[in-house]
Amino acid sequence: DQQVKQNSPSLSVQEGRISILNCDYTNSMFDYFLWYKKYPAEGPTFLISISSIKDKNEDGRFTVFLNKSAKHLSLHIVPSQPGDSAVYFCAARPSKSYNTDKLIFGTGTRLQVFP
Amino acid sequence: DAGITQSPRHKVTETGTPVTLRCHQTENHRYMYWYRQDPGHGLRLIHYSYGVKDTDKGEVSDGYSVSRSKTEDFLLTLESATSSQTSVYFCAISVTGVKDTQYFGPGTRLTVL
Repeated sequence: DQQVKQNSPSLSVQEGRISILNCDYTNSMFDYFLWYKKYPAEGPTFLISISSIKDKNEDGRFTVFLNKSAKHLSLHIVPSQPGDSAVYFCAARPSKSYNTDKLIFGTGTRLQVFP
Repeated sequence: DAGITQSPRHKVTETGTPVTLRCHQTENHRYMYWYRQDPGHGLRLIHYSYGVKDTDKGEVSDGYSVSRSKTEDFLLTLESATSSQTSVYFCAISVTGVKDTQYFGPGTRLTVL
């Protein structure tokens, strides 16, 4: 049972435009969400995160939105740049009351930014 | 990169042989994790450790064992490799603080023939 879903395996966006990557989750006990970026032949790198007590977090060109009622989060990249071309993973962490630091990852979305 | 190295970076082996992958960290983090990445599955947790000699299973632990005899090293062993274990393996450490997150090593590409 996939608790974190990224239903779009790929996305193609023109340079300068907005990229919107989506993620849905099923477990209401998740209290912290993260986005990772992965280039080929490298490990995933942390991009941005959001706590469940917030609905938006912004860091430069990257903004993450959280809609708890819909169990949905999205990553907006504005403006998109060719260097943003990578695979993006969303991840969720169960509440710390569960005494675990484990993350549940989605299947990833491959973003391609073309000139 | 949180001082994480993985060895080897690439390995080709044959079905039925034992394989050990090593993860080394230099910053004394308590939590360490092993994931595998496969197309269509994202990153899946194999095993994790919350201290020396303290380990637990993740969602895809069958066929894998781990050991952590020192804080800095977390070993993943495939006792008898199978072709289904062909994958890219990532080690990660957990950092808590202002931004709780996991940091990943560069990965090991394992091919089982």
